[in-house]
Amino acid sequence: QVQLVESGGGVVQPGGSLRVSCAASGFAFSSYAMHWVRQAPGKGLQWVALISYDGGNKYYADSVKGRFTISRDNSNNKLYLQMNSLGGDDSAVYYCARAMSGGGSSFDYWGQGTLVTVSS
Amino acid sequence: SYVLTQPPSVSVAPGQTARITCGEDNIGSKSVHWYQQKPGQAPVLVVYDDSDRPSGIPERFSGSNSGNTATLTITRVEAGDEADYYCQVWGGTSDHNYVFGTGSKVTVL
Repeated sequence: QVQLVESGGGVVQPGGSLRVSCAASGFAFSSYAMHWVRQAPGKGLQWVALISYDGGNKYYADSVKGRFTISRDNSNNKLYLQMNSLGGDDSAVYYCARAMSGGGSSFDYWGQGTLVTVSS
Repeated sequence: SYVLTQPPSVSVAPGQTARITCGEDNIGSKSVHWYQQKPGQAPVLVVYDDSDRPSGIPERFSGSNSGNTATLTITRVEAGDEADYYCQVWGGTSDHNYVFGTGSKVTVL
């Protein structure tokens, strides 16, 4: 079965950096585009970034452009989000999510998330 | 950029029908997807492409989309349907942005 397991969250100081990871299993990871979506405590869902199946195309929300970098390692079925210049607004649970196949624009499987807290 | 407006809360008695709306100008021209999120859990896709259901999602969940409003309908509501629900669209190739609605809390009375 499809499994997505995030890791790497924690407490980081304002202006700091953190990399979160997502380990994928149960499907052909290298055939799927992948997303990061975040949710601040008590708030709604916010899309963060998308990477194509081969890593050749990457897209970002305006709020993170220039600070966050999405990447993937298809040989190890891993997805990453490198986050730099972190601020309080970046505190959230970060979910990795699989893009539905066939060019669909929905997210058909989600991990359980990893919590990032930006605080001094 | 899209702003998808949902009612903050919807209350429904068990066995009745809940309707959750998602409003935006000309949303009928977009594919709308719906997610259910229970407390402390990850979102789950319940309807995609306006009205299709992923495998394992009960037929009680259905969707429609026309004009300026998309709707998620839950028939024969059960206590286990109590959750937050979010609509979502894609902005298209000119605006590679994935937008979520403001979210609706469904309370089963």
